[in-house]
Amino acid sequence: EVQLVESGGGLVQPGGSLRLSCAASGFTFSSYAMSWVRQAPGKGLEWVSTMSGSGGSTYYADSVKGRFTISRDNSKNTLSLQMNSLRAEDTAVYYCAKHYHGSGSHLPIFDYWGQGTLVTVSS
Amino acid sequence: QSALTQPASVSGSPGQSITISCTGTSSDVGSYNLVSWYQQHPVKAPKLMIYEGSKRPSGVSNRFSGSKSGNTASLTISGLQAEDEADYYCCSYAGSSTYVVFGGGTKLTVL
Repeated sequence: EVQLVESGGGLVQPGGSLRLSCAASGFTFSSYAMSWVRQAPGKGLEWVSTMSGSGGSTYYADSVKGRFTISRDNSKNTLSLQMNSLRAEDTAVYYCAKHYHGSGSHLPIFDYWGQGTLVTVSS
Repeated sequence: QSALTQPASVSGSPGQSITISCTGTSSDVGSYNLVSWYQQHPVKAPKLMIYEGSKRPSGVSNRFSGSKSGNTASLTISGLQAEDEADYYCCSYAGSSTYVVFGGGTKLTVL
């Protein structure tokens, strides 16, 4: 059974940093691209970042480019998101999502999602 | 402002069919057959319902179907059931630069 468990959320002041983690199990982690998708309170889904299965390719939304860094440790089946220079508008539930196709594909089709971790940026 | 445009809400009675539209541009929906649809119940994670425009993942009811015409994709739910009441989001690949865009979401109410 595929499981994705996010952690690391919390309350942080504007300008601060936070590191999110996603522990994956139930599938061959290194074979699949992984993404972070966020949802501000009462709002819709917003794609944040994607990393290919090998870690060789990364993609970022313009809203986080230069502030957030996605990474993965395939030996530990873990995806991470380092978030720096946080702003109030980064407040959201952050979901870790597995891509549907494996074998090097990084097409944005998300077949499994974690339960999310809440990040609140406020003074 | 979301990149893909969806109606804010739709409604239907049990047993009826409804369609949710998702309008993009020639840079996303119109250029790729890579629209996916997600169902989200309150305080739950999204669930993949349709991918690559019209394909259903294993376990998703055949009451859910997807299609596309030009720059607009559509999700149709037939034989509406109470458990279909949820928010629905479309999503499209948008090329290697923008990569992916979501719609603003549509709240489905089963009357």
